[in-house]
Amino acid sequence: AAGVIQSPRHLIKEKRETATLKCYPIPRHDTVYWYQQGPGQDPQFLISFYEKMQSDKGSIPDRFSAQQFSDYHSELNMSSLELGDSALYFCASSLIPGGPDTQYFGPGTRLTVL
Amino acid sequence: ELKVEQNPLFLSMQEGKNYTIYCNYSTTSDRLYWYRQDPGKSLESLFVLLSNGAVKQEGRLMASLDTKARLSTLHITAAVHDLSATYFCAGGRGSQGNLIFGKGTKLSVKP
Repeated sequence: AAGVIQSPRHLIKEKRETATLKCYPIPRHDTVYWYQQGPGQDPQFLISFYEKMQSDKGSIPDRFSAQQFSDYHSELNMSSLELGDSALYFCASSLIPGGPDTQYFGPGTRLTVL
Repeated sequence: ELKVEQNPLFLSMQEGKNYTIYCNYSTTSDRLYWYRQDPGKSLESLFVLLSNGAVKQEGRLMASLDTKARLSTLHITAAVHDLSATYFCAGGRGSQGNLIFGKGTKLSVKP
């Protein structure tokens, strides 16, 4: 079965640079979530989209922005990168927000900021 | 605000033994999830529990939900090394789709 696709899988950036992470949800899934997981930490919700509109917002820094496109893929844009942004970034998708179905997680993008 | 607490955070087990991981949550949660994560890997969905008294089993893992006690448990039966991983419980609430995760339980199964 098709899974959530994320790219790139690994990314190394310098401080103050920008990064763009991409997420392709499971086909027919309208909802995309972004989570950040620091080393040894639990995943923290950043932002979500349903039908191309922002549906919920968590602890996402102002330096980050995201959107969902007409083909339902989503991009997380990160600017003025800081050392503390180094983390695993997961995208998850589900059929509808708040529904009883499972959120399926992608393989993640490991971002390292030097 | 929904808060999710797991215990224990670290669990070292011998193969063949049984144990239970506990997940308490602070306010009403519509749904409770259990995920498994291997080091540096993605989160693999194990169970979704939607109603009071729900019990689901897959292999050596069984999850249950008691909404009145705001407690979910993940029971491990006759542990094997392959079960070594970090297990997260997560709660969801209302129309907000985002999940609130517990800190995770790092399970190590030793021969």
